[in-house]
Amino acid sequence: GEDVEQSLFLSVREGDSSVINCTYTDSSSTYLYWYKQEPGAGLQLLTYIFSNMDMKQDQRLTVLLNKKDKHLSLRIADTQTGDSAIYFCAEIPNQAGTALIFGKGTTLSVSS
Amino acid sequence: EAGVAQSPRYKIIEKRQSVAFWCNPISGHATLYWYQQILGQGPKLLIQFQNNGVVDDSQLPKDRFSAERLKGVDSTLKIQPAKLEDSAVYLCASSLWEANTEAFFGQGTRLTVV
Repeated sequence: GEDVEQSLFLSVREGDSSVINCTYTDSSSTYLYWYKQEPGAGLQLLTYIFSNMDMKQDQRLTVLLNKKDKHLSLRIADTQTGDSAIYFCAEIPNQAGTALIFGKGTTLSVSS
Repeated sequence: EAGVAQSPRYKIIEKRQSVAFWCNPISGHATLYWYQQILGQGPKLLIQFQNNGVVDDSQLPKDRFSAERLKGVDSTLKIQPAKLEDSAVYLCASSLWEANTEAFFGQGTRLTVV
């Protein structure tokens, strides 16, 4: 079947904006999520967006949703070294219960 | 509020041995998930419980993996016998009820099979 697709690596300088992109599989997914995973830690929910929204802003985070193209993006403004982590895009496909389906993750590296 | 607790944090076993992982979800959370995260990949669902009943175990390799959630609270995941390809981080997550949007994750158990 189709997979949730993400680019694997992103490298930015401190203070720049980071944009992490994702293509998900089910156009009828109700919620779409971004999780953050730091080394040796579990997954932390960063933000989520309901499918009837195009954009959601939460402090330094902006989520954009393009349902037609099944494209989700996460923008981090003023990226800090503490933002270095793996970022996972996830969906709950409508026909697949309530469990999250994750992408492979994008490793964000922030240099000072 | 205490988070999802998992133990042990690390485990090294030889292939063909058995191993068990334990998870204590957040108090009051009816839904519990076990995920397997192989290095370099995203987490993949193994099994989902609603209270003490199984909702989805379609991706659980039932010839060697088993899981239970007695009394709808704690859960254990067992592998017997283990294979090299079972080396991964096993993550437990819980949420309030099936339709809830946020799942909270434990720190995981890192299993190495040698």
